[in-house]
Amino acid sequence: GAVVSQHPSRVICKSGTSVKIECRSLDFQATTMFWYRQFPKKSLMLMATSNEGSKATYEQGVEKDKFLINHASLTLSTLTVTSAHPEDSSFYICSAQLTRTYNEQFFGPGTRLTVL
Amino acid sequence: AQTVTQSQPEMSVQEAETVTLSCTYDTSENNYYLFWYKQPPSRQMILVIRQEAYKQQNATENRFSVNFQKAAKSFSLKISDSQLGDTAMYFCAIYLYNFNKFYFGSGTKLNVKP
Repeated sequence: GAVVSQHPSRVICKSGTSVKIECRSLDFQATTMFWYRQFPKKSLMLMATSNEGSKATYEQGVEKDKFLINHASLTLSTLTVTSAHPEDSSFYICSAQLTRTYNEQFFGPGTRLTVL
Repeated sequence: AQTVTQSQPEMSVQEAETVTLSCTYDTSENNYYLFWYKQPPSRQMILVIRQEAYKQQNATENRFSVNFQKAAKSFSLKISDSQLGDTAMYFCAIYLYNFNKFYFGSGTKLNVKP
């Protein structure tokens, strides 16, 4: 099956620092990758959609300057949380989509970010 | 605006019994797909079942089946012969082809009791 990895799985950082989260599709090329945020016992909130070689599309209310998304290749997308603050603490999940026609998304295992 | 509603925050079922999780959605789009995802305590999202909206036949995957009522915009999940490993959060989701986006419901926490 299609496998998506995320790194790191858990990160703790100090307020004001930047954190980069990597999302990789290991055995397929993903035309699109999605980034979600999940609060405790809550649903997944779509943050942005990224396509290889183009700018990410952010959902309303998501600060694009705080959450920088780079989709450098068909197998790698990165989310950088810039100048992190405690309110950015959350569980971040990425998913990768093979094609729009075969629209199933394959999820990474998630990254727990804690900002002190 | 697209909405996905799961009205049951939490449900319990005895092992080996059958349980149905509810989901309703609202969209003005015609080209969409519906999904049920499972999120166990590990928090890894796992696809349970997928339904193309243009297909009338309900999707089935082993012990999992859906009751898709397009006119009513209802998409419930039936789990037969519940197993302890089915204990998880279950999310209903809609994929809108023209927007290439997924929208999730708030989730139902299912507890399977021995």
